[in-house]
Amino acid sequence: AQSVAQPEDQVNVAEGNPLTVKCTYSVSGNPYLFWYVQYPNRGLQFLLKYITGDNLVKGSYGFEAEFNKSQTSFHLKKPSALVSDSALYFCAVRAPNQAGTALIFGKGTTLSVSS
Amino acid sequence: SAVISQKPSRDICQRGTSLTIQCQVDSQVTMMFWYRQQPGQSLTLIATANQGSEATYESGFVIDKFPISRPNLTFSTLTVSNMSPEDSSIYLCSVGTGGFEETQYFGPGTRLLVL
Repeated sequence: AQSVAQPEDQVNVAEGNPLTVKCTYSVSGNPYLFWYVQYPNRGLQFLLKYITGDNLVKGSYGFEAEFNKSQTSFHLKKPSALVSDSALYFCAVRAPNQAGTALIFGKGTTLSVSS
Repeated sequence: SAVISQKPSRDICQRGTSLTIQCQVDSQVTMMFWYRQQPGQSLTLIATANQGSEATYESGFVIDKFPISRPNLTFSTLTVSNMSPEDSSIYLCSVGTGGFEETQYFGPGTRLLVL
């Protein structure tokens, strides 16, 4: 069975500092991995995905994520955090080569960026 | 990416009543997904709706409680029937871009409070 773990309920970082939001996964075969962000009273917005290829994936709003197969991780990173990055972040996984299947989500990590 | 709208954006309902949530997409899509996000929780898949066939429900969700319609390739409805306070959640519609490497995009959600 597929699963995603986000070990931190909350991450606090000062504006201008680098941020990391952690995600580990469990899936048979090569995973398809996603990051979404949810701002207060908003739906989920797609940030980036890893399907295959380069382990470092760049996405929206300056975010990037690094796929590490040996550690089964897909941590979200940003070199310099903004106060406006404060939101709820979800990591998700989908089984490979299966179109039309739903995502399995982690429990979410609240990112708080202080000025 | 797909542009997805949902109606209503929020509602307050009395227990025992039913609410139908509409999801409209700006392009034709094969699969549509309905998720529930309970307060402070992650997203849980309710069902997958394929145009022209019965929806496929996840464990713990039944058609009598959450009937779904999918009359065409751009529209779907989810009804929350005989509501109780435990149904208070955000309900999100999602669509995939198609293909094995598809990205799923989400609507803004419907915030439901059952009294």
